[in-house]
Amino acid sequence: AQTVTQSQPEMSVQEAETVTLSCTYDTSENNYYLFWYKQPPSRQMILVIRQEAYKQQNATENRFSVNFQKAAKSFSLKISDSQLGDTAMYFCAFMGFQGGSEKLVFGKGTKLTVNP
Amino acid sequence: KAGVTQTPRYLIKTRGQQVTLSCSPISGHRSVSWYQQTPGQGLQFLFEYFSETQRNKGNFPGRFSGRQFSNSRSEMNVSTLELGDSALYLCASSFGDSGNTIYFGEGSWLTVV
Repeated sequence: AQTVTQSQPEMSVQEAETVTLSCTYDTSENNYYLFWYKQPPSRQMILVIRQEAYKQQNATENRFSVNFQKAAKSFSLKISDSQLGDTAMYFCAFMGFQGGSEKLVFGKGTKLTVNP
Repeated sequence: KAGVTQTPRYLIKTRGQQVTLSCSPISGHRSVSWYQQTPGQGLQFLFEYFSETQRNKGNFPGRFSGRQFSNSRSEMNVSTLELGDSALYLCASSFGDSGNTIYFGEGSWLTVV
């Protein structure tokens, strides 16, 4: 079974600075997808960024980028120019191919606080 | 384009009762999945439906069930509620091909007293 580990339960960063959230995963599959979701106090899960394992190029979305190390099974999220609105829980998630089923396996999350 | 809609948003039930939660996916999405979120266990996969068929199921007791209708709308039911069923239940939808982006609703807060 796949597992996802986020080793930083809480992190804080000053506004405008850069922060990196860590995520490691365990799988025997070769093709899969990885995601970072953000959950603000409203509790709605919002997709931040998506990475396809067969693509070597790291995904980027504006201020958000990932460092995907497939051999190390590592998938960290870098947030540049942090904004107060980035304060939220961040979840790393894995999706494998199980008969076509779309099942996300989530890590425990990292609570990020952006300080003014 | 409307997002994933879940109803009701908040509800309080008594132990032993049953509850039905509803989810309307994004238009055109054929896959609907459900997750339970609690402080202790985090986010756990309940089940996924695609074209009215359950395609995958998580490790939950048989008290948790679901179904999907021909218009892709889905319901989940929890019977004989226990205090530990208190949680945020999140519904998510996608087109259904592996790797598609999965979009979440705002969730249904269930409190069992």
